[in-house]
Amino acid sequence: EVVLTQSPGTLSLSPGERATLSCRASQGVSGRYLAWYQQKPGQAPRLLMYATSNRATGIPDRFSGSGSGTDFTLTISSLEPEDFAVYYCQQYTGSSPPPFTFGPGTKVDLK
Amino acid sequence: QVQLVQSGAEVKKPGASVKVSCKASGDSFTTYHLHWVRQAPGHGLEWMGTMFSHGATTSHGQKFQGRLTMTRDTSTSTVYMELSSLRSEDTAVYYCARELPSAVYFDYWGQGTLVTVSS
Repeated sequence: EVVLTQSPGTLSLSPGERATLSCRASQGVSGRYLAWYQQKPGQAPRLLMYATSNRATGIPDRFSGSGSGTDFTLTISSLEPEDFAVYYCQQYTGSSPPPFTFGPGTKVDLK
Repeated sequence: QVQLVQSGAEVKKPGASVKVSCKASGDSFTTYHLHWVRQAPGHGLEWMGTMFSHGATTSHGQKFQGRLTMTRDTSTSTVYMELSSLRSEDTAVYYCARELPSAVYFDYWGQGTLVTVSS
């Protein structure tokens, strides 16, 4: 199983600040197979990024993704009030079941 | 616009089974995969299994040990997830989520169905 670890667990920031979220995999993950989701309380997750650095439809360009191998990063360049949420990374692998795993999440909350 | 609409909340006793539905609209039902992902209260997301576009299924066998069954009704564009021998640790919100073939990410999600297992 590919285990994803996210850090920090909680990020306390103010609107306008930059947020940097980390996702580390227990083994190498193809960049094509790494995605990020945003989840707000009481809502389903929403796809933010796929294939490491591609924004999903309707996602503003303040969100960006980078990384390769075992280390991936989601960056929010300037936090808007609606960005305070929990963020999950997700990977796919065809070689080590289960094929899909998620990280434990990083909560971005208001400082 | 793709929509996935799930059935309502359920309360079940330990040992019982639950069947959750996910009705798809807005795109051809047999052209994409539908996954089930669950989230225990205050916890993260856990992939459970997949109904592939062609009708085959696969699941997290080690985790659910034959307790998970996924079926579909193509006439109503509905996928079903049945979990048997329920335990308290199965209490969670269950989501269906769409994957376009080979996309390996989930671009549309249902609203979630809370399943509570309690005696």
